[in-house]
Amino acid sequence: GAVVSQHPSWVICKSGTSVKIECRSLDFQATTMFWYRQFPKQSLMLMATSNEGSKATYEQGVEKDKFLINHASLTLSTLTVTSAHPEDSSFYICSAFGRGMGGNIQYFGAGTRLSVL
Amino acid sequence: GQQLNQSPQSMFIQEGEDVSMNCTSSSIFNTWLWYKQDPGEGPVLLIALYKAGELTSNGRLTAQFGITRKDSFLNISASIPSDVGIYFCAGQLGSGGGADGLTFGKGTHLIIQP
Repeated sequence: GAVVSQHPSWVICKSGTSVKIECRSLDFQATTMFWYRQFPKQSLMLMATSNEGSKATYEQGVEKDKFLINHASLTLSTLTVTSAHPEDSSFYICSAFGRGMGGNIQYFGAGTRLSVL
Repeated sequence: GQQLNQSPQSMFIQEGEDVSMNCTSSSIFNTWLWYKQDPGEGPVLLIALYKAGELTSNGRLTAQFGITRKDSFLNISASIPSDVGIYFCAGQLGSGGGADGLTFGKGTHLIIQP
């Protein structure tokens, strides 16, 4: 099946610093990538939708200036958490969708656990 | 916004038992998906449903897309230890040819006692 790689898998940073998370589709071209956030013992919540070459669309309540998304190629999207604070600590998961792969299936990365001290 | 009500929240069963969980929505989705998530991992797709009334099986798993497009269930037959994990339903507005973000249920935590 399709493979989506997410890096890093775990990151610890100091409050006020920025963290970049990468999401790569390894064996298909992802026309659309999605970023989700999952707090402990909770469900996944969609943060933003990213189409290659265009600006990301953010869900209500998600600050676009805090969560910068770049989808510069068909195989890579990045999420940068700027000026991270402890309340940003969460599990961030990306998914990728590629046209022609059948249905509306999104393939998920393994997630990135962010801990802000 | 749209919400998915998933139940039960958790299940404690004996190995070999059958499992049933379901999701309901206040609004229509044109695609229903079921995922399993292990601790510290991303969700893995189990079954995708694209048509109202559709019944689809994947090994010991069977899922159905409700006729009203507002609900879906997942059954697991003859549970085994590796079935332990959190199961999520997810709804999607799109019905094919495009992609929308997913709306997830709150998850069903399956625990199997040997």
